Amino acid sequence: DVKVTQSSRYLVKRTGEKVFLECVQDMDHENMFWYRQDPGLGLRLIYFSYDVKMKEKGDIPEGYSVSREKKERFSLILESASTNQTSMYLCASVHSGAGRFSQYFGPGTRLTVL
Amino acid sequence: AQKITQTQPGMFVQEKEAVTLDCTYDTSDQSYGLFWYKQPSSGEMIFLIYQGSYDEQNATEGRYSLNFQKARKSANLVISASQLGDSAMYFCAMREVEDSSYKLIFGSGTRLLVRP
Repeated sequence: DVKVTQSSRYLVKRTGEKVFLECVQDMDHENMFWYRQDPGLGLRLIYFSYDVKMKEKGDIPEGYSVSREKKERFSLILESASTNQTSMYLCASVHSGAGRFSQYFGPGTRLTVL
Repeated sequence: AQKITQTQPGMFVQEKEAVTLDCTYDTSDQSYGLFWYKQPSSGEMIFLIYQGSYDEQNATEGRYSLNFQKARKSANLVISASQLGDSAMYFCAMREVEDSSYKLIFGSGTRLLVRP
């Protein structure tokens, strides 16, 4: 089974802190994604990566950056956390091939910024 | 413009009854895929069912079926014989195949509560 893990289930940080959210997948997938989920808004794409050191902005990249130094690891960085970044963050990786497409999600990180 | 619309923020259903969760989508692509995910209170997104735009038959996976009406651009999820464990958030999502990023576009979700 594909496994996508995230470094923390719950995180509490203070305004202005630098925050790292880590995501690791074990299936050699090339494509990885970071979403944030807010009530009434569903999931919105922050950044995605289609290869090592390659990244693309999603729909709401402001206030975030990402790092992909190794294929299995995709990190989301909040350079200076703000209260409006309090949210649920979900990482996903994608398998596409042989006529099938599947997006696998991690368990999520609930981040609270005080 | 919103590409995925889920108009039911919340739904109730009696245990053992069937329930339909609505989803409409908007795309000009001819080739796309539609997904439904379940998110229990634990937070993890669980893939339920997939429908390709060229699939002639409605997708089914156990108690889940997708009522795909291409002309109306709707992809409703039908859960038969509801169970208490079906209480969760449900998200409809779309992937436009022309978009090589593989990203999914999600609706705002429907919270389903199954009553005993």
